Amino acid sequence: DAKTTQPTSMDCAEGRAANLPCNHSTISGNEYVYWYRQIHSQGPQYIIHGLKNNETNEMASLIITEDRKSSTLILPHATLRDTAVYYCIVRGDSNYQLIWGAGTKLIIKP
Amino acid sequence: GEEVAQTPKHLVRGEGQKAKLYCAPIKGHSYVFWYQQVLKNEFKFLISFQNENVFDETGMPKERFSAKCLPNSPCSLEIQATKLEDSAVYFCASSPDAFNYEQYFGPGTRLTVT
Repeated sequence: DAKTTQPTSMDCAEGRAANLPCNHSTISGNEYVYWYRQIHSQGPQYIIHGLKNNETNEMASLIITEDRKSSTLILPHATLRDTAVYYCIVRGDSNYQLIWGAGTKLIIKP
Repeated sequence: GEEVAQTPKHLVRGEGQKAKLYCAPIKGHSYVFWYQQVLKNEFKFLISFQNENVFDETGMPKERFSAKCLPNSPCSLEIQATKLEDSAVYFCASSPDAFNYEQYFGPGTRLTVT
């Protein structure tokens, strides 16, 4: 069963920051939060991951709450090419499989 | 190679026929993962390998599905006697290590069972 809950869809204006929330209230201490996206029907693309600290890379920032029960992916300046389904995933701590949720369809509007 | 390669891109099989899908992981990656995506969004983990050894097969429907990763060969996922519900996109991913590493995904194989 999926361990994450995400909104089904979101809109964001081009050039603005896109903030995608995720709830993972049953996450255990050794489990990481991963974010992937799938553009159209391509293979999923890795974005970022974290354990408990906030993380930033060239694509996005990941903010994890102190209790680790939720997180937010931030795309700082969304472009039309960021339109995709974004998956918040908890990675199993013993078998390393990715446990996928249903994802958020993010639509960037001009 | 620097990308995960999957073949074929599309595969059509009549119900009851065999289907075989291939995955070449990124060179140097020790772990291979297979996922099934049905209905556009839902991903299901099938099986993972550490080199040629099965690492985790908790997601595999064992009656008809089998998988191998042999040295110096692409990994394979085989479905004996396909059923309509096997229609899906099958993604392979590889990783240099299982712990705290991203998984790099291939473009997928779309299997249609008619």
